[in-house]
Amino acid sequence: GENVEQHPSTLSVQEGDSAVIKCTYSDSASNYFPWYKQELGKGPQLIIDIRSNVGEKKDQRIAVTLNKTAKHFSLHITETQPEDSAVYFCAIIQGALVFGQGTRLTINP
Amino acid sequence: DVKVTQSSRYLVKRTGEKVFLECVQDMDHENMFWYRQDPGLGLRLIYFSYDVKMKEKGDIPEGYSVSREKKERFSLILESASTNQTSMYLCASSSRGGGYTFGSGTRLTVV
Repeated sequence: GENVEQHPSTLSVQEGDSAVIKCTYSDSASNYFPWYKQELGKGPQLIIDIRSNVGEKKDQRIAVTLNKTAKHFSLHITETQPEDSAVYFCAIIQGALVFGQGTRLTINP
Repeated sequence: DVKVTQSSRYLVKRTGEKVFLECVQDMDHENMFWYRQDPGLGLRLIYFSYDVKMKEKGDIPEGYSVSREKKERFSLILESASTNQTSMYLCASSSRGGGYTFGSGTRLTVV
């Protein structure tokens, strides 16, 4: 199946700093790129997505950028807060969603 | 509030048992999915369904089967549970072209 590589696997940042998580993929036909956030004891929840005709999308402190030529897309969280601590997954669509391996983000007060 | 409900949060089963994991959604979604989640591997697709009585294999279907007799319900079946099926199982649903809504997961331990 389609391969999605996500880095880093863990990320620790000081509260107020920015966090960036990156995913690369191999199928150039992919055209939908969502990001999910999973809090402890819960299922993943969609936080932002981007489609292949757009290079960047922003929603308050969260943004996603897409570089189709290089086949990578990134999640940017600015002004991080303790409630941003969670596991984040990128995904692409290939029939069904194919997920990256996940990034455990910890915000240190 | 729209929901995907998984019948059990925690299950402990014995090796060789037949195990049923149930998932129900109240959003009239056409599509339903079963994933398993393991540390360092992300979410891996087991089976999915685009319509009632329809099923498609995902990336890791071996040892599993599914049933979708009604639109709102999608069941995952472990025909003969093995210890390597100890995992977190996540059910999701979506409308055509829509984002996925996940349940809270079932943590299955096979002993």
